[in-house]
Amino acid sequence: KAGVTQTPRYLIKTRGQQVTLSCSPISGHRSVSWYQQTPGQGLQFLFEYFSETQRNKGNFPGRFSGRQFSNSRSEMNVSTLELGDSALYLCASSSDQLDSYNEQFFGPGTRLTVL
Amino acid sequence: AQSVTQLDSQVPVFEEAPVELRCNYSSSVSVYLFWYVQYPNQGLQLLLKYLSGSTLVKGINGFEAEFNKSQTSFHLRKPSVHISDTAEYFCAVFASGGSYIPTFGRGTSLIVHP
Repeated sequence: KAGVTQTPRYLIKTRGQQVTLSCSPISGHRSVSWYQQTPGQGLQFLFEYFSETQRNKGNFPGRFSGRQFSNSRSEMNVSTLELGDSALYLCASSSDQLDSYNEQFFGPGTRLTVL
Repeated sequence: AQSVTQLDSQVPVFEEAPVELRCNYSSSVSVYLFWYVQYPNQGLQLLLKYLSGSTLVKGINGFEAEFNKSQTSFHLRKPSVHISDTAEYFCAVFASGGSYIPTFGRGTSLIVHP
């Protein structure tokens, strides 16, 4: 099976702009989670989508939003970018079966730089 | 709620030396435990996992970890490291029967010197 893919891999934006990141999960996986990774804060959970519904949400401002499509692909949007939004954004998918411990498979990430 | 503490932010070691990366967790329920590795400019890759059974877990690349319930620890070890093991290592805990989201530690940077 193909792994989790994320596009684009690198992105440069300026303050005030908005950005959309895309994630394609492993085929058959219905759960997609997003994480922000920075040197100072480590891996912080943004939100998780399952069957097109946001199931879990981390402690991020409303500028961070996401959605999931019927084919399980997910997008994450950040509006009104701030310098502090510069980070590696990781997407992870899992099968979310009832007897599964929900092992997460990670994509390579999108490196966002805000100038 | 659960939490994970990785006690060392950076561990320098010489090639072919043994290494231990420490991880402690807290949780009021049973947990599943994971170690992930992240190479530069890449995502996280699962090294090994503890779900149940034997407390000594073997993973990829010669790594192993031991689950110690009384000490609430899940330390990662390798008897002889290689330059290519230089990477960031993350411990994660997932509470069984809880939310579907694992909690990650802050990471330990393993630096292997020749």
